Amino acid sequence: EDQVTQSPEALRLQEGESSSLNCSYTVSGLRGLFWYRQDPGKGPEFLFTLYSAGEEKEKERLKATLTKKESFLHITAPKPEDSATYLCAVPSGGSNYKLTFGKGTLLTVNP
Amino acid sequence: DTEVTQTPKHLVMGMTNKKSLKCEQHMGHRAMYWYKQKAKKPPELMFVYSYEKLSINESVPSRFSPECPNSSLLNLHLHALQPEDSALYLCASSPRQGVEEKLFFGSGTQLSVL
Repeated sequence: EDQVTQSPEALRLQEGESSSLNCSYTVSGLRGLFWYRQDPGKGPEFLFTLYSAGEEKEKERLKATLTKKESFLHITAPKPEDSATYLCAVPSGGSNYKLTFGKGTLLTVNP
Repeated sequence: DTEVTQTPKHLVMGMTNKKSLKCEQHMGHRAMYWYKQKAKKPPELMFVYSYEKLSINESVPSRFSPECPNSSLLNLHLHALQPEDSALYLCASSPRQGVEEKLFFGSGTQLSVL
């Protein structure tokens, strides 16, 4: 069965304090790993798609990396506006339409 | 226009009411989705429409009835809901149906069933 595990469940950082979020996955034949950001009471917002081990993508203070077993979302010098829940997701097994989401990491950045 | 617009933002309904949620996108996307999200949980897929036809129903109870009147609109008709159906209902779209497609989500409708 496909599994996506995110850690930690919650993370508090001071503004400027860099850290990383983890997404571990077990799925046969990875066809992409997605990162989304979700603000409270809003829908998820797409951040990145990674397809192969070694791939990296960056957007502002965020950098996503991928290995054969996990993905990291590195946050460099975060600001309070980076506070959100970060979700990762992978395509479910042989499905061509369904994503398996992790439970997310709630990031709080204090000024 | 890269937005998915959902109305209403909030809805309170009784268990005997009938209500509808609406979703609209003007990005020319041909796949549209309904997701349900409970507090502190990830989104759960409910329905997928591809080229205005219902493609996937994830064994959703019949008290939820989706409708796709045209390529820009998606509705979710609600009838005889239960309190446990209270959740954030999210609409999403993508250029086409496919698990590799990036999803564009609306802001959701926060539904409370009394």
